[in-house]
Amino acid sequence: DQQVKQNSPSLSVQEGRISILNCDYTNSMFDYFLWYKKYPAEGPTFLISISSIKDKNEDGRFTVFLNKSAKHLSLHIVPSQPGDSAVYFCAASPYGSSNTGKLIFGQGTTLQVKP
Amino acid sequence: DTAVSQTPKYLVTQMGNDKSIKCEQNLGHDTMYWYKQDSKKFLKIMFSYNNKELIINETVPNRFSPKSPDKAHLNLHINSLELGDSAVYFCASSPGPGTGNQPQHFGDGTRLSIL
Repeated sequence: DQQVKQNSPSLSVQEGRISILNCDYTNSMFDYFLWYKKYPAEGPTFLISISSIKDKNEDGRFTVFLNKSAKHLSLHIVPSQPGDSAVYFCAASPYGSSNTGKLIFGQGTTLQVKP
Repeated sequence: DTAVSQTPKYLVTQMGNDKSIKCEQNLGHDTMYWYKQDSKKFLKIMFSYNNKELIINETVPNRFSPKSPDKAHLNLHINSLELGDSAVYFCASSPGPGTGNQPQHFGDGTRLSIL
């Protein structure tokens, strides 16, 4: 039973436009949500996170929104750049994992930003 | 200057063999992890060590045995390899076992193929 789901396997946007990547979760007992970005043949790199007590976190071109009632989070990238083309993973940390670092990952969404 | 390095990058071997994957981090982190990315692209936590102590041990066959000789190294030994073990294995580290404010840094992965 997959607790974190990214239902869109891929997304294509034009350079300069907004990219919106979505993530749904089933377990309300998550206390942190994170986004990672992965290029081919490399490991995931941390992008941005949000605590479950917040509904928005912004870092430069990247903003994560959390809707706890809908068990949904999204990553907005504005403006999108060709270098943003990568696989984006959503991850969640269960309550009580603050002393283990356990993360549950979605299956990723491949973003292509066209010049 | 690689922060989390895994060796080998590729590993092709026969069913039934025993193999090891090595991981080293030079970030001074206390916590290290092993993840498996299967054919469906989900990244799943296998093990985690904090200061050489095992803190996460997910439901993984006991053919998989992690070893942490010191906090900068976490190796993964796999006995009696099976076809289903074919996957990409990622090592990661974090300053401590927290989550949202202590993101994990990943190596570039080891692609294991069982013939």
